Amino acid sequence: DIQMTQSPSSLSASVGDRVTITCRASQSISSYLHWYQQKPGKAPKLLIYAASSLQSGVPSRFSGSGSGTDFTLTISSLQPEDFATYYCQQSDSTPFTFGPGTKVDIK
Amino acid sequence: EVQLVESGGGLVQPGGSLRLSCAASGFIFSTYSMNWVRQAPGKGLEWVSYISGGGSTIYYADSVKGRFTISRDNAKNSLYLQINSLRDEDTAVYYCGIVGGIWGQGTMVTVSS
Repeated sequence: DIQMTQSPSSLSASVGDRVTITCRASQSISSYLHWYQQKPGKAPKLLIYAASSLQSGVPSRFSGSGSGTDFTLTISSLQPEDFATYYCQQSDSTPFTFGPGTKVDIK
Repeated sequence: EVQLVESGGGLVQPGGSLRLSCAASGFIFSTYSMNWVRQAPGKGLEWVSYISGGGSTIYYADSVKGRFTISRDNAKNSLYLQINSLRDEDTAVYYCGIVGGIWGQGTMVTVSS
C-alpha cells in the first residue's frame, strides 16, 4: 500500500499569510494526487486534482505542484474562510490512501 | 447541478447490518467510477471501496473486506454499500464520491449496544 504523509500536522497563520502544506507518497504516484479542504461537520471539498489542476470555482489563491513523491499545496494569501483541515489523496493504486491532514487555524 | 446524496445511516448494534445508498444527479453516472470513504469521529478520512463505471471492477480496504459489499444501479443513478458484521470501529460518517471530484454530504453510522 502507498503511505501518504503530510507536514505540518497543524499550523497557525494570520489572514494574508502565504501557507504551504507538503504531502509525500511512499512511492511514485506520478500526478495522481488530489487536495481537499474540509470544515467541521462538512464533506471534503476538492481544491486541486491531478496535482496541479484547479477545480472549477475554487479561488486562484490555491495552487498545487509536484509529481512523483513530493507535492505541495499553497495558499497565496490566507483568507478567513480558509481556516480548515486539508487532506491529500493518491489515486495511483488502491487503496486510495489519504494523508493524515493538516489543520490550519487562526494565529 | 452535480449532486450526491447519501442515506441509510443510523444506530445499529454490533454484528448488525445496514445498507447505505447514494443518489447521483447532474452528471452521466454510468461513466464515472465511484467510491465510499469514511471518517470516524475526530479522525481523518479513510478510503473504503471502489467500483468502476460498469460495475465490473471492485476494490475494498482490508479493514472492510469480506464484510462490506459495494454495488451500483446505473439505471437508477445509485450507488450502494451493504455493511454487515458491524463493529464499534465502523462508527463513522460515510461519504460517497469521485476520487479527485465531488463528495456527498455523508451519512452517519453508529455502532453501539
